[in-house]
Amino acid sequence: ETGVTQTPRHLVMGMTNKKSLKCEQHLGHNAMYWYKQSAKKPLELMFVYNFKEQTENNSVPSRFSPECPNSSHLFLHLHTLQPEDSALYLCASSQLRPGNEKLFFGSGTQLSVL
Amino acid sequence: DAKTTQPNSMESNEEEPVHLPCNHSTISGTDYIHWYRQLPSQGPEYVIHGLTSNVNNRMASLAIAEDRKSSTLILHRATLRDAAVYYCILRDGETSGSRLTFGEGTQLTVNP
Repeated sequence: ETGVTQTPRHLVMGMTNKKSLKCEQHLGHNAMYWYKQSAKKPLELMFVYNFKEQTENNSVPSRFSPECPNSSHLFLHLHTLQPEDSALYLCASSQLRPGNEKLFFGSGTQLSVL
Repeated sequence: DAKTTQPNSMESNEEEPVHLPCNHSTISGTDYIHWYRQLPSQGPEYVIHGLTSNVNNRMASLAIAEDRKSSTLILHRATLRDAAVYYCILRDGETSGSRLTFGEGTQLTVNP
């Protein structure tokens, strides 16, 4: 148990569906992240939120829409996805400390787009 | 972030020490060296980090070369549960909330 909970663990959706991934951290951290991990590829950073404000969008297509209502919760809203978006989506949180930050990851949501 | 280079894979036997190398020849003076590992079907987990001196914790030891251009993660007694992908990452010590860029990492196989 890392203190970062992601739901659902598995999700299958069609290309016309709308779904949301949820992440919750119980660690009192002030930064949250979304990462994507495609099969046999390194993790790719998607979004960064510091103190609920989005500070980084790594050229992510608009069919992925993040939402951070407070420092403990992070959502990733999905719509009109493509089969190549099938991947493991990982949420992480950290306490902002230059150089010494440790990221705590959830177990991820395994997404399949049909 | 400065780039790191790691072997694609390594193999070890159970209960033997494992030395996982990482080269970071372009490291800057303010970069911290972080190690994470990712077990199958899980998110990465923090292992250890350091700046200049060697570091020990309950999971592993980190040996940093004097010129800081390389480092070695040491697992003192490998277990089957240590089989994972190990990532060596440099973090800028002057900014926070910055991206954590993962490379390919080293796939560690532990033989019983």
